[in-house]
Amino acid sequence: QQQVKQSPQSLIVQKGGISIINCAYENTAFDYFPWYQQFPGKGPALLIAIRPDVSEKKEGRFTISFNKSAKQFSLHIMDSQPGDSATYFCAASNSGGSNYKLTFGKGTLLTVNP
Amino acid sequence: GAGVSQSPSNKVTEKGKDVELRCDPISGHTALYWYRQSLGQGLEFLIYFQGNSAPDKSGLPSDRFSAERTGGSVSTLTIQRTQQEDSAVYLCASSIRDTYNEQFFGPGTRLTVL
Repeated sequence: QQQVKQSPQSLIVQKGGISIINCAYENTAFDYFPWYQQFPGKGPALLIAIRPDVSEKKEGRFTISFNKSAKQFSLHIMDSQPGDSATYFCAASNSGGSNYKLTFGKGTLLTVNP
Repeated sequence: GAGVSQSPSNKVTEKGKDVELRCDPISGHTALYWYRQSLGQGLEFLIYFQGNSAPDKSGLPSDRFSAERTGGSVSTLTIQRTQQEDSAVYLCASSIRDTYNEQFFGPGTRLTVL
């Protein structure tokens, strides 16, 4: 059972455009939703995270939109740059659980063309 | 400061051999996680250590996999009698077990089983 579904699998955007990646989750106990960025040969790095008490969080060019009733959240990258080309993973965890493990989506390979 | 380090960065082994993968977490981080990243499968939780508590082994795929954490710091993931399906990138993450539990990942060990 895939608890976090991520789409699209890959995305090509022109420089300056908006990149949008979507995730949906099933477990209503999830209460922490981070996005990770991964470059080839590197480990994932936390980009931005949200908790369900807010519907949106913005940090620079990166915004998370969260819809609790639909159990969906998305990452928006404004003014996308070639340096943003990477694989992006959404994740979710339950802070009331015993281990805070992250459940990941399968990732989105973003390519930003110059 | 230093991040999470893992060694070796790459490991090639023959089917049936045992391998040991090492993780050095960030100093002061009490929580340590192992994840496996397989092509097309995203990141899967394997095992979790928190302080001196018994580890959560619920993600280990078989009894060929084991892990230990000595002195609440360094961790070793051992895979016995490796199989080709064990080929993957093994990622270690550590965190301060607080409300947000931000997990910091190491660069991973790429394991190839021939």
